[in-house]
This record gives sequence, C-alpha cells and structure tokens, in this order.
Amino acid sequence: GAGVSQSPSNKVTEKGKDVELRCDPISGHTALYWYRQSLGQGLEFLIYFQGNSAPDKSGLPSDRFSAERTGGSVSTLTIQRTQQEDSAVYLCASSSNTGGDTEAFFGQGTRLTVV
Amino acid sequence: QQQVKQSPQSLIVQKGGISIINCAYENTAFDYFPWYQQFPGKGPALLIAIRPDVSEKKEGRFTISFNKSAKQFSLHIMDSQPGDSATYFCAASRPGQFYFGTGTSLTVIP
Repeated sequence: GAGVSQSPSNKVTEKGKDVELRCDPISGHTALYWYRQSLGQGLEFLIYFQGNSAPDKSGLPSDRFSAERTGGSVSTLTIQRTQQEDSAVYLCASSSNTGGDTEAFFGQGTRLTVV
Repeated sequence: QQQVKQSPQSLIVQKGGISIINCAYENTAFDYFPWYQQFPGKGPALLIAIRPDVSEKKEGRFTISFNKSAKQFSLHIMDSQPGDSATYFCAASRPGQFYFGTGTSLTVIP
C-alpha cells in the first residue's frame, strides 16, 4: 500500500484484557511514531522508533504500555491489563528521516474502546 | 509540559470568512512548523508547512504567518468553505520529534 496502514481500525475490549495494535509504515520510512488522541484532546506522543536506534519511550504513560518494531518495519503497540482511561484513538505515523522539514504521514488510527 | 500551545480550541466561521488559528512554542531548536488537517475518522494529513527562515508561506487559500522573534505562528484560511470544517493541528519539529498542539475544531457555516 501507498500509505501507513493500521489494524484493527476498531477494537472493543474488556477491562483487564491485553490488546495489540499494529502499524505498517510506508516502505522505506525509517522513523515511526505512535500517538494517542483522546476525545477532544490533542496528539499525545507515546513512542518513537528511528532505524536501529533505541526507541524514545518517554511518552509511554505507564509500564502497561510497550511497543516494538520488527525488522525496522512493522510496529506493534501492546497495552496490558487495559483500563477504561486507555480508550482513545491510537495513531501511527512514519517519516523518511529525522531531519527538519520531513513530513510525517499518519495512518487512519485504531479506535480502542475499553468496556 | 505542552511544547506547543494552540488556540482557540474551537472556531465557528461563516462561509467566505477568514479562519485564524494561532500557535506558540518555546524551544528555539524547532526547525519545521507544519499544520495538519484531520477529518472525522481519518488520520491527520499535512496541509502546509513553513521553515523559520521565512515569515510567510501561502498555498491557495491557506497561509502560514511566522514570527520567529515572538515564537509564534498562525494559520489563516481565506474564503473559508464548509469543506474546510475539520480539526487543525499545528506542530513544531526538530530532528527526531514532532510536537503537536491540542487542536482546533473549525466549523464553517454555509
């Protein structure tokens, strides 16, 4: 595909369950970002991957959140023991490099609802 | 700590009017300032962007005004149309990171 692909598009889960959200970045993009967007809120940075460097995890809200990026391409965001406050749209973005004036391309997001 | 402050949170404009959204930042290391447009159910998409070495950039009805000394930048939408109704995010970027504002919900009334 030509764009950033995220799956699933919607996820409803019970409180306490684990969920995995997937992101397929644009081919060749070395930088990958995860953001969280809550209703009426802005884009909250979660984690950033760049090539083979150690990821910037400074935005992860708790140790229930983790992410990995395999082979420098696909990324999975995992939320363990989900809570109702985790309900949000999780957005993934990729860009071609880390320099200035580099556009970040976003996926359509995964809407997570914890019931 | 909010790296980029955006206002207003919501904006209602009559068709044909001018929509203005403002952003401010603190970190002088930022070197790229994009604006993203997001429609419901979609991810944000780049609308227009500016680098700090210019004071204004215009693309069609969309203009970014940039004030480096004040560390402020704004988006102007001229002749606003109902199809412009969306959420707009400003951002400030430096290598390895994008910082987004909290978003402005724009409604253009026919």
